[in-house]
Amino acid sequence: AQKVTQAQTEISVVEKEDVTLDCVYETRDTTYYLFWYKQPPSGELVFLIRRNSFDEQNEISGRYSWNFQKSTSSFNFTITASQVVDSAVYFCALSEAVRGDMRFGAGTRLTVKP
Amino acid sequence: NAGVMQNPRHLVRRRGQEARLRCSPMKGHSHVYWYRQLPEEGLKFMVYLQKENIIDESGMPKERFSAEFPKEGPSILRIQQVVRGDSAAYFCASSGGPTDTQYFGPGTRLTVL
Repeated sequence: AQKVTQAQTEISVVEKEDVTLDCVYETRDTTYYLFWYKQPPSGELVFLIRRNSFDEQNEISGRYSWNFQKSTSSFNFTITASQVVDSAVYFCALSEAVRGDMRFGAGTRLTVKP
Repeated sequence: NAGVMQNPRHLVRRRGQEARLRCSPMKGHSHVYWYRQLPEEGLKFMVYLQKENIIDESGMPKERFSAEFPKEGPSILRIQQVVRGDSAAYFCASSGGPTDTQYFGPGTRLTVL
């Protein structure tokens, strides 16, 4: 069975601090895909990144970076020099190759204070 | 705007009425997924459809809920005889294939009075 755990329910930081959002997953499949989505206060879901299980290279996109470690079944997300506009709920999700659906974690609410 | 479209954005129904939620996938996408987000919770998968076919409905309640994705027109999520517990945000996503990235619509916020 697939499962995604985001242990941090809420995180609060001050602007310009770095923050890491944790994501741990469980799956029996060898081929799977991991995602991060952002849900700002307006409510829409914004796609951030997709990773397949065979690609363990870390990814950096501007102030965002992702650390994928199969050995610990983790796919953590770091925001460097956080900004108020980063305030949102962030969801980690898992999709197995044989299924179409995504299993979402409960989300981490990030608040960045000025 | 070539993104996923959902309407209505907000829907208010009284207990016992029917709710119809519509989703037009991104251009070129033939795979549609419906998810439900209860207040302060994550998204839960409901159903996965391709044109004229339900591929996986394992997340959808067996009673009162149905979904379709006809050959022409949007995908429809239908909730009959709504109850207060159906109040939630319903998100539709589309992709070009079963393992491709899913892009989400803005959601329909259903409130049952």
